[in-house]
Amino acid sequence: KAGVTQTPRYLIKTRGQQVTLSCSPISGHRSVSWYQQTPGQGLQFLFEYFSETQRNKGNFPGRFSGRQFSNSRSEMNVSTLELGDSALYLCASSGGVNTEAFFGQGTRLTVV
Amino acid sequence: AQSVAQPEDQVNVAEGNPLTVKCTYSVSGNPYLFWYVQYPNRGLQFLLKYITGDNLVKGSYGFEAEFNKSQTSFHLKKPSALVSDSALYFCAVRAYNSGNTPLVFGKGTRLSVIA
Repeated sequence: KAGVTQTPRYLIKTRGQQVTLSCSPISGHRSVSWYQQTPGQGLQFLFEYFSETQRNKGNFPGRFSGRQFSNSRSEMNVSTLELGDSALYLCASSGGVNTEAFFGQGTRLTVV
Repeated sequence: AQSVAQPEDQVNVAEGNPLTVKCTYSVSGNPYLFWYVQYPNRGLQFLLKYITGDNLVKGSYGFEAEFNKSQTSFHLKKPSALVSDSALYFCAVRAYNSGNTPLVFGKGTRLSVIA
């Protein structure tokens, strides 16, 4: 079956702009989580959605937001981009809290 | 809040030697524990998990991990390392049976297997 799909794979944006990233989970998975990966910081949790509701939220500023649609697809938005937002953004879906998460290949965001 | 510590940023091992990548965790109650591997410019791939039962868990590509509740550890091991095992490894924890806590990752350990 198809894996987790993230689009786009690469993005270059200018400071102050906003960006929207998309994630299509594995069919049947209702939980979608987002992570920011930067060198030296590992994976930092952004938020988790389950059945269109935000279930958990990480310690990121309000510029970072997300949503989940009825088909479980999820988007995250970052407004007023800063240079420090440059990172690999990873999306993961899972079938339940007791099961492993499956990751997409990520979106590489570069802010210039 | 739960957390994961991977005390080594880098582990170097010769091909054919056993390898260990260390992980300790902190969580309220019992944990769900996971190991993932990441190759360059790729997402994370699941290796193995501990949910309940046998403390020794076997996973993909010959990897295994041992859950030690008293030491709150979940070290990743492989009896004989391959050059192709060189990658970034992440340990992750989630509180048992809780949808109200996220899956939290450590900072990762870069494994380098030298031929």
